[in-house]
Amino acid sequence: QKEVEQDPGPLSVPEGAIVSLNCTYSNSAFQYFMWYRQYSRKGPELLMYTYSSGNKEDGRFTAQVDKSSKYISLFIRDSQPSDSATYLCAVAYNFNKFYFGSGTKLNVKP
Amino acid sequence: SAVISQKPSRDICQRGTSLTIQCQVDSQVTMMFWYRQQPGQSLTLIATANQGSEATYESGFVIDKFPISRPNLTFSTLTVSNMSPEDSSIYLCSAEVQGNGNTIYFGEGSWLTVV
Repeated sequence: QKEVEQDPGPLSVPEGAIVSLNCTYSNSAFQYFMWYRQYSRKGPELLMYTYSSGNKEDGRFTAQVDKSSKYISLFIRDSQPSDSATYLCAVAYNFNKFYFGSGTKLNVKP
Repeated sequence: SAVISQKPSRDICQRGTSLTIQCQVDSQVTMMFWYRQQPGQSLTLIATANQGSEATYESGFVIDKFPISRPNLTFSTLTVSNMSPEDSSIYLCSAEVQGNGNTIYFGEGSWLTVV
């Protein structure tokens, strides 16, 4: 069983839509949760990180962690064509090793 | 946050040759890591670059193939040795940055194509 599972998509939405990206993880001992955005042929860019259950908001982005269900989500409000990218979730016990999801490719159509 | 610079950003390499990738962080960091991302795949940790000691390699990666240096708290190199087409990948340097909550930042990556 993989440490973290992520639907690869692709996910195609119209501009202005609310986007929901999701991951599940296997081990309840994970305590660090991150979302990265990766444009084609670029390095991953940190979007959000959280260490606890609940919601964390930053502009149009909201990260949600449900430790009881071992489920993490990223919501993007008012999606823009510039949000088109691959989104990677990551989990970790500590900072010695991160486990990444396979990435969800998002396309926001103008 | 941190600025992590990698070079080269991309290169085309001949089979059997070796290439060294450099990674520079704009601040002192304790932990630096090297990842590989093969086309269409997620990130796989190659090794943790330890300052002043040998790198810690993940299963499936060995020092002879991927020698790593970490001479100080801001710089590391990864060498991909005796390259084959299977080594064609993006190689990413990352660092743990301490601040208002620690997290990991990435460089822009080095895209290697082996022909």
